[in-house]
This record gives sequence, structure tokens and C-alpha cells, in this order.
Amino acid sequence: DIQMTQSPSFLSASVGDRVTINCKASQNINRYLNWYQQKLGEAPKLLIYNANSLQTGIPSRFSGSGSGTDFTLTISSLQPEDVATYFCLQHNSWPYTFGAGTKLELK
Amino acid sequence: EVQLVESGGGLVQPGSSLKLSCVASGFTFSSYNMHWIRQAPKKGLEWIALIYYDSSNKYYADSVKGRFTISRDNSKNTLYLEMNSLRSEDTAMYYCAKDDYGSPFDYWGQGVMVTVSS
Repeated sequence: DIQMTQSPSFLSASVGDRVTINCKASQNINRYLNWYQQKLGEAPKLLIYNANSLQTGIPSRFSGSGSGTDFTLTISSLQPEDVATYFCLQHNSWPYTFGAGTKLELK
Repeated sequence: EVQLVESGGGLVQPGSSLKLSCVASGFTFSSYNMHWIRQAPKKGLEWIALIYYDSSNKYYADSVKGRFTISRDNSKNTLYLEMNSLRSEDTAMYYCAKDDYGSPFDYWGQGVMVTVSS
């Protein structure tokens, strides 16, 4: 199975900060990488698919980059409503596997 | 608006069975593949089962193969997960999720908790 190593596990940042979260795949997954946001008690929400495509309705402050084994989710200017856990998913090969998650809080 | 609503969870004893349901709305259910995904307490997410839009193919994670069965009723817009021989390690929040043509898991339900304990 492909292992997804996500970092950091925990992140504290201030409103307006630029925030980056990383996922590293144990082997090449091309651009088959999604990013999700999960707020407490809510369903996970797709933010970015196929490494850098913004899902419909997601604010443009969210962006994704990377290919191969290294990927980054960037929030260009952190907003209070962005407090959540973020996780990545590789869908290059079965079984699809997830990163362990990054819990983002406000400083 | 796409909605996926899971139900059927609860507290059960090891070795028992449970059947989860996921009712879909806001999209043409019969046109999309569907999945079950779970998250054990303080653990990461684990994909566990996939069913094609027409039930022609089903796939399972090794951890549940032979014990869990995914099914769907397109006339009722409902996805199911029948879980047998439950173990303590099956304790988790269970989510249903749909595929889009370009990406898996574009919409998820809020999840339903299953606790296996004596």
C-alpha cells in the first residue's frame, strides 16, 4: 500500500497568515492527490482534487501544488472559519490511502 | 444540494452483526460509484469498500474482506454496509462517500459511530 506522510500534525497560526500543509507519498502518485477539510462534527469537504484543481465553491485562498511524491496545500490568508483538520488522499492506486491529518488552530 | 445521511450505528458485542445505511439525495444516485470509509478513534481514515454504480463490481479492504458486504438499492437511493463477525478493531466512525467522474470521494456523509465492545 502507498503510505502518505502528512506534516505537520498540528499547526497554530494567526488570522491572515499563509499556511502550508504537506503530504509525501511513499511512491509516485502522479497528480492523484486530493485535499479535504473536516470541521468538528461535520462531513469532510473536498477542497482540492488532482493536486491543484479547486473544487467548485471553495474559496480561492486555498490552493494545491505538487506532483510525483510531494504535495502542498496552501491557505494564502488564514480565516477564522478555516479552523479544522485537513487531510490528503492518494487515488493513484488501490487501496486509496489517506494522510494522518493536520489539526489547524488559531493562535 | 448533495446529501448523504448515514444511519444504523450503535454499540454491539464482539461477533455480532450490524447493517449501516446511507441515504443519498441531490444527485442521480444510480450514476455514481459509492464507498464506505472509516476512522477508528485517534486513528487515520481507512477506505473499506467500493460498489460500482450498477452493483457490477465490489471491492473490499483486506481488513474487512469476507466479513463486510457492500450493496445498494438504486430505487431507494440507498447504500448499505452489512457487517458480520464484528471485532473490537471495527470500532470507528463510518462514512459513506460518492465518486465524481474526475475524483473519488467528492461528497461525504457526516458519519455514523459503530462501537464493538462487550
